[in-house]
Formats: sequence, C-alpha cells, structure tokens
Amino acid sequence: LAKTTQPISMDSYEGQEVNITCSHNNIATNDYITWYQQFPSQGPRFIIQGYKTKVTNEVASLFIPADRKSSTLSLPRVSLSDTAVYYCLVGSTISGNTPLVFGKGTRLSVIA
Amino acid sequence: GAVVSQHPSRVICKSGTSVKIECRSLDFQATTMFWYRQFPKKSLMLMATSNEGSKATYEQGVEKDKFLINHASLTLSTLTVTSAHPEDSSFYICSARAGLDNQPQHFGDGTRLSIL
Repeated sequence: LAKTTQPISMDSYEGQEVNITCSHNNIATNDYITWYQQFPSQGPRFIIQGYKTKVTNEVASLFIPADRKSSTLSLPRVSLSDTAVYYCLVGSTISGNTPLVFGKGTRLSVIA
Repeated sequence: GAVVSQHPSRVICKSGTSVKIECRSLDFQATTMFWYRQFPKKSLMLMATSNEGSKATYEQGVEKDKFLINHASLTLSTLTVTSAHPEDSSFYICSARAGLDNQPQHFGDGTRLSIL
C-alpha cells in the first residue's frame, strides 16, 4: 500500500483558502487518492476522491498532477468549523476488500 | 450518500466484561467491512478486515481471540472485545465500502470504550 506524507499541522485564518499537499511517490496504477476529515470523537468523513487532474465538489477541490505522485486538497474560504484532522489516503478501489491505511494526517487549526 | 451506523457510541464497563460493537451499512450492501482502533491524538490503526460469510483477516499484532469479529450478513459486522481490560480502552471505528469499483470507504461514528 502506498505510503503518504503530509504536513503534521497547519494554521489558517477564517475566510482564507487552505491547500494541504500530500506526497505519495509509490502510488500504483490502480490507486485512487481519497481525502477524509475527522473531528474529535467522530469517525472520518469522506471529502473527495480522485484519480488524476482535478476534481471538485461542493466542499473542496482536489488537484492531482500528471505523475500522480502528489495531490493537493484545496478548501475554499475556511471557517472555524473546518478545524479538524485531514487524512490523505491512497488505495485501490477495484478490489472492495482492500482497506485504507491511515497516515498521521494534517491537523488544521482555523483561527478567527 | 452511503451511511454506516455504529452502536453503541459509548461504553463504560468493568474489567473482565465482554463488549459487543455493531456496525451496519444502512443503505448499501457491504461484502467487506473494516475495523480500526484509534488512541487519543493518534491516527486510525487497522485491526482487521471482516468478510461476509468467512473468517476475518487480522493485522499483525491484533489478537483474534481477544477481538472477535463476525460478519453475518451483507449489512452487519460485529466486534466483540472479550474479557476487556483497561488497556483495551480506546476509540473503535468501523467502515464499509459498497462492492462496486471506485467507491470510497465510509466510516461509522465510532465507539468510545472505557474499561474501569
């Protein structure tokens, strides 16, 4: 399973755009990149998933360069409620019984 | 969207008690479910992969006789912590994925287990 590396923590002011970059140099051809958000005492919540180029949904964008060795989660105009731990995961979704293995995540603190 | 329900959300019990945690996929069928454990300010650690109708696959270092997993149907997996001790106190989280390609894993809201 591909290992991911992301910053341990980040701080941001409310209203700013936050970009969290994740490195996954050993990503395999069948691997997708998935980001989750976790609040204290809750399970991880799916944010976005992509394979290549750019994916956008109502809460975030995911940018993936052509070599797929990294990805960037972009959160537009963060608010205090976006303070959480964000996990970048890489794994194959072709096989339904392949679990996601979590790294340490990035602890985002949004300041008023 | 896909919903995974976990019950109970919190358990406090005495040492030596066995505790059962249920994980249900509410609006999809999950041939495979996963159990994780998380200590304070740490990341999630995969404990086991639960396969419907067959034995679970445990990660290295996880005692299968301590953490009994049953996956009796396509929507229900259970984790039983047998003869729990204070060191078993942790946050247990289950997840499931619909058996379709490119579908993400969805997680329950976790069970906080406290052994006195």
